[in-house]
Amino acid sequence: KAGVTQTPRYLIKTRGQQVTLSCSPISGHRSVSWYQQTPGQGLQFLFEYFSETQRNKGNFPGRFSGRQFSNSRSEMNVSTLELGDSALYLCASSPGTSVSRETQYFGPGTRLLVL
Amino acid sequence: GQQVMQIPQYQHVQEGEDFTTYCNSSTTLSNIQWYKQRPGGHPVFLIQLVKSGEVKKQKRLTFQFGEAKKNSSLHITATQTTDVGTYFCAGRGAGNNRKLIWGLGTSLAVNP
Repeated sequence: KAGVTQTPRYLIKTRGQQVTLSCSPISGHRSVSWYQQTPGQGLQFLFEYFSETQRNKGNFPGRFSGRQFSNSRSEMNVSTLELGDSALYLCASSPGTSVSRETQYFGPGTRLLVL
Repeated sequence: GQQVMQIPQYQHVQEGEDFTTYCNSSTTLSNIQWYKQRPGGHPVFLIQLVKSGEVKKQKRLTFQFGEAKKNSSLHITATQTTDVGTYFCAGRGAGNNRKLIWGLGTSLAVNP
């Protein structure tokens, strides 16, 4: 099976702009989670989508939003970018049907730099 | 809210020395997972522990889950340069809280 793919891999934006990142999960996986990773801050959970519905949400401002399509592909959007949004954004997929025991399969990430 | 503390944040060892990272949760977990992220890479799943007191081994790696299911450890025997990376634990809440709570990771550097 092909792994989780994320596009684009690298992105440079300026403050105030918005950005959309895309994630295609492993075939058959219906859950997609998004994380922000910055040095020293570990993995910060943004949100999880399952069957086109947001199932869990982290503590990020409303500028961060996401959605999931019927084919399980997911996008996340960040509006009004700030310098502090510079980070590696990771997407992870899992089957989604047995939440209590599932593990996460991560994509390579999108590295966003905000100038 | 629920937290998972992971220590140490950094560890520098000579090749051949042992290494241990610890995770402690503020609440009881249903399970705990460990991931490894190589420099420039993405987290890769290593193992999941579910039972109280569980111990699992993968070659030189030994994973333990505490009796109270609130702490866990990863021990690497005789480190190699291929062990370099950041090791994360992630605890799954018990009861109705099924969120995966991540530790901040332990970055391991190995001197050849």
